[in-house]
Amino acid sequence: DIQMTQSPPVLSASVGDRVTLSCKASQNINKNLDWYQQKHGEAPKLLIYYTNNLQTGIPSRFSGSGSGTDYTLTISSLQPEDVATYFCLQHSSRYTFGAGTKLELK
Amino acid sequence: EVQLVESGGGLVQPGRSLKLSCAASGFTFSNYYMAWVRQAPKKGLEWVATISTSGSRTYYPDSVKGRFTISRDNAKSSLYLQMNSLKSEDTATYYCARPEGTGNNWFAYWGQGTLVTVSS
Repeated sequence: DIQMTQSPPVLSASVGDRVTLSCKASQNINKNLDWYQQKHGEAPKLLIYYTNNLQTGIPSRFSGSGSGTDYTLTISSLQPEDVATYFCLQHSSRYTFGAGTKLELK
Repeated sequence: EVQLVESGGGLVQPGRSLKLSCAASGFTFSNYYMAWVRQAPKKGLEWVATISTSGSRTYYPDSVKGRFTISRDNAKSSLYLQMNSLKSEDTATYYCARPEGTGNNWFAYWGQGTLVTVSS
């Protein structure tokens, strides 16, 4: 089974900061990597699919990159409404979620 | 607008069974694979099951294989999850999710979830 490791587990940043979240797969997942945002008490919401494709309606400050085993979600200018937990998901072989990064305001 | 509405959650004793339902609308249900994903309290997300468009193919992780059964009724635009031999570790919010297209794709849409609590 493919394992997904997200880092850091918790990230504190200020409004306006550029924020980078990481996700590492235990083997090559050929860009089959997505990012989800989950706010407290809500269902997950798709942000980025297939590494770098922005889902319709998602602000352009969110972007994704990566290849092979290493992937990144970047928020170019952090906004208060971005406080949430972010999960990565590999769908190269079945499905495996990362454990999440909790993004807080400093 | 795509809508997925889960129902059927509740409190159930260990070893008993429970069946979840998901009512889908806003898209042609029979054209899409469907899936269940769960989230234990204050924990991460875990894929639970996927079903093909016709229902002829189903997929499960080892953690639920042999205990859970995913099914669908395309005429009713409904998805189901039959959960047997429930364990305390099955306690979670269960989300109905729609992958994009067919096959092993990203989850484009999610329901709001239904809470299952397994406890004596």
